[in-house]
Amino acid sequence: DSGVTQTPKHLITATGQRVTLRCSPRSGDLSVYWYQQSLDQGLQFLIQYYNGEERAKGNILERFSAQQFPDLHSELNLSSLELGDSALYFCASSVKYHEQFFGPGTRLTVL
Amino acid sequence: AQSVAQPEDQVNVAEGNPLTVKCTYSVSGNPYLFWYVQYPNRGLQFLLKYITGDNLVKGSYGFEAEFNKSQTSFHLKKPSALVSDSALYFCAVRDFRDDKIIFGKGTRLHILP
Repeated sequence: DSGVTQTPKHLITATGQRVTLRCSPRSGDLSVYWYQQSLDQGLQFLIQYYNGEERAKGNILERFSAQQFPDLHSELNLSSLELGDSALYFCASSVKYHEQFFGPGTRLTVL
Repeated sequence: AQSVAQPEDQVNVAEGNPLTVKCTYSVSGNPYLFWYVQYPNRGLQFLLKYITGDNLVKGSYGFEAEFNKSQTSFHLKKPSALVSDSALYFCAVRDFRDDKIIFGKGTRLHILP
C-alpha cells in the first residue's frame, strides 16, 4: 500500500458527460501528480500541483482541469467526455523532487 | 526539451539469468532518474533513483541501475531474474530545474521459467 488513495476505483459513464476523480496524497506529501495510462498512448503526465499551486503541465486537454485543495487532496475533472478518454487515471504524490508514490488508479470507461 | 527512451517494448529472459532493461535520456541540466515497476491492475511502484553520488544505485527486490553520463543512460539490471520479476518497467527523468517528469513508454519484462 503506497498510502495514496484514489476514488472511485471504477467509473462508467457516457460520452458528453463530466466526471470528477479524487486523490488523497500520502501524509506529508505536498506534491500531487495526475497521469493517464492507455494502451496506445502509454503513461502520459497530465498536471502537477505543489501545496495548492499548479507547478507543471503536461499533455492535459482543455476539457480536463484539476485543483489541489488546502487539505492537499486533489481532484481531476474531465468534461465533454469522449470514447478516447477511456483509460486508467493515476494520481501520485511525492516530497517535492523525490520519488513518486502512486495510487491504485481509477479506471474510466466512456460508452 | 527533456525526453526518455526505452528502446525495447519487450525483453525475455530465462529465470536465473541476468537481466537488463535499457533507458536513455535527454535533459538540458542535471537529471534526476527513476525506475518504476507496474504489476497488472496496479499502480506504479518506485524501485530506485539516481539524484547524485555513486553511479551504481541499488534498489528494491535486488534491482540496480547504473548512471552513465557520457552515454546518457540509466539501464536497470538484476544479476539473477525471478519469474516474479515479470512486469512492466518504466524509466523516468526529471531535469533538476524543472518540476516536469517524463516517463518512458515502458518495457514489458517476461521471465521464462
